[in-house]
Amino acid sequence: KNQVEQSPQSLIILEGKNCTLQCNYTVSPFSNLRWYKQDTGRGPVSLTIMTFSENTKSNGRYTATLDADTKQSSLHITASQLSDSASYICVVSQTSVRSGGYNKLIFGAGTRLAVHP
Amino acid sequence: GAGVSQSPSNKVTEKGKDVELRCDPISGHTALYWYRQRLGQGLEFLIYFQGNSAPDKSGLPSDRFSAERTGESVSTLTIQRTQQEDSAVYLCASSLNPPPAGGTDTQYFGPGTRLTVL
Repeated sequence: KNQVEQSPQSLIILEGKNCTLQCNYTVSPFSNLRWYKQDTGRGPVSLTIMTFSENTKSNGRYTATLDADTKQSSLHITASQLSDSASYICVVSQTSVRSGGYNKLIFGAGTRLAVHP
Repeated sequence: GAGVSQSPSNKVTEKGKDVELRCDPISGHTALYWYRQRLGQGLEFLIYFQGNSAPDKSGLPSDRFSAERTGESVSTLTIQRTQQEDSAVYLCASSLNPPPAGGTDTQYFGPGTRLTVL
């Protein structure tokens, strides 16, 4: 079964601290892995996209890693800010041959991060 | 430029009524997607449009759910005879598919419509 599992479910950290969020997946065929940030009441916003051959990708204070062999990914947030409080969603893209090759997204349930002053 | 917009932002309806949710994708985006997000859960895929056709409807949970897209732009998701289990946030996203050379098919999401069925 195609699944994306994230841990922890929720996390509280103090402003300025670093944190790492985890993602494990069992999706095939794998196309790419994405991390999204979803603020409360808003739609998700893309942070990073990594293909099979990419091990790490950064976007400002966000750094994502991918180990395609173990099917694990992490999102590391450096020097957290209050505005980082949001849900972080790991999304694995599955190439859908049936529908002409579009990338079907399979979403994790997200990690809810709260950054406190 | 404008992002993906959805309307209404909130909809409260009584069980058994029909509802229509609207999505305006980013201009020029050929691909459009509908998702459902129940409280505290991940997004569930509902349907994918490429242009005006829907090559993948596999996520529609029942025949009470239908969607159409006209003019390769606006899409409407219709839920007939709503049930309390339909209460969720319905999110629309659009992307360029195929992506431009060297680019990605990043999906851009709208703010969602929060549907509450009483």
